[in-house]
Amino acid sequence: AQKITQTQPGMFVQEKEAVTLDCTYDTSDPSYGLFWYKQPSSGEMIFLIYQGSYDQQNATEGRYSLNFQKARKSANLVISASQLGDSAMYFCAMREGGISSGSARQLTFGSGTQLTVLP
Amino acid sequence: DAGITQSPRHKVTETGTPVTLRCHQTENHRYMYWYRQDPGHGLRLIHYSYGVKDTDKGEVSDGYSVSRSKTEDFLLTLESATSSQTSVYFCAISVSTSGSPIYEQYFGPGTRLTVT
Repeated sequence: AQKITQTQPGMFVQEKEAVTLDCTYDTSDPSYGLFWYKQPSSGEMIFLIYQGSYDQQNATEGRYSLNFQKARKSANLVISASQLGDSAMYFCAMREGGISSGSARQLTFGSGTQLTVLP
Repeated sequence: DAGITQSPRHKVTETGTPVTLRCHQTENHRYMYWYRQDPGHGLRLIHYSYGVKDTDKGEVSDGYSVSRSKTEDFLLTLESATSSQTSVYFCAISVSTSGSPIYEQYFGPGTRLTVT
């Protein structure tokens, strides 16, 4: 079974509008972390935001916020006030195991969502 | 800038030839990873290392080997390249920034490998 599912291969949003990119995950580990990365056309992977399974509040980083619904096993990325520079591929990823596991745990990635911001 | 470089950045090789990709980091991080990226699959882990000479397999390790003789270098070898190994290869390190307990991964610029 897919551990990370991104059901939107492509999304379009008008500049200055908000957009939500969907991510659902599957794990039986009570401790896990969810990550979002951005990959522009230049190819580099850029870390955006992190949500831990025990975090009480949804994570926010500037215009990025994570709509974390634990019971639904979803971790959707919300981008507010979209900009042309937000056009990119966005990946959701999960690391199973708690923070005390340190950095040993690898990430499992979804297949990505290609976001296009329209002027 | 997490100080990760990959070499070569682009390579075209023929089926059956050996290929080695290099990942170099400058900040002494313990954990290093090799991923491949293919359309429709996102990034998939090939191998990772948790120290010098300590490595383990990932999800798609068949046909690949790795070595880490120094903290700063993590090598990925395709012993006999096949067309199915045409991909973009990313190296990553695990980093805790600003004293946070969260270890996000930082990625190198990628190596585009074409096997003809």
